[in-house]
Amino acid sequence: EAQVTQNPRYLITVTGKKLTVTCSQNMNHEYMSWYRQDPGLGLRQIYYSMNVEVTDKGDVPEGYKVSRKEKRNFPLILESPSPNQTSLYFCASSLMGQGSMTQYFGPGTRLLVL
Amino acid sequence: DQQVKQNSPSLSVQEGRISILNCDYTNSMFDYFLWYKKYPAEGPTFLISISSIKDKNEDGRFTVFLNKSAKHLSLHIVPSQPGDSAVYFCAASVGTSYGKLTFGQGTILTVHP
Repeated sequence: EAQVTQNPRYLITVTGKKLTVTCSQNMNHEYMSWYRQDPGLGLRQIYYSMNVEVTDKGDVPEGYKVSRKEKRNFPLILESPSPNQTSLYFCASSLMGQGSMTQYFGPGTRLLVL
Repeated sequence: DQQVKQNSPSLSVQEGRISILNCDYTNSMFDYFLWYKKYPAEGPTFLISISSIKDKNEDGRFTVFLNKSAKHLSLHIVPSQPGDSAVYFCAASVGTSYGKLTFGQGTILTVHP
């Protein structure tokens, strides 16, 4: 089954404790992206990657890091989480240059930073 | 700077009637637009898209209209069904090969039986 998976689905942590949210897709997509969803703000892009070892900042990259060492994986790293990073996070993937921008989303990771 | 705006946070419609969800954008470089639907506890799923070379695209009960001069798009759902109750996001991109999507804030649609 074609899918994007994220782990963990729920996470409660404390300020300053480094964490990683994993994202994996089995569709051989070049493009992967991370978004955060906050009330009244919709989905805002954090980082995206157009292929292995190619990453770029989205609209709200501060406080986050990413890496793309393999095509299927795109982990999101919070080196020192803060309460304002409490949010619902989505990973997405898509093909590039196919005349379509349809992105496939994971189920989301709900993060609470105390 | 919100480049894609959905000014109605919510919309309530009776089953069988038409639902119209609206979206405005400010970036004139946007030339590809999509609508996503999101149920609680799930990720958004693609619904329908439209390129700027068209002004209408239809898929079953869903039709998207694009008015480039007004920088406005709308999603029509006819007839609306209770299962359509979800959050709807519009999104826009510059071209289809660059990879960056800009989303609106979302509109919560509730369809009453």
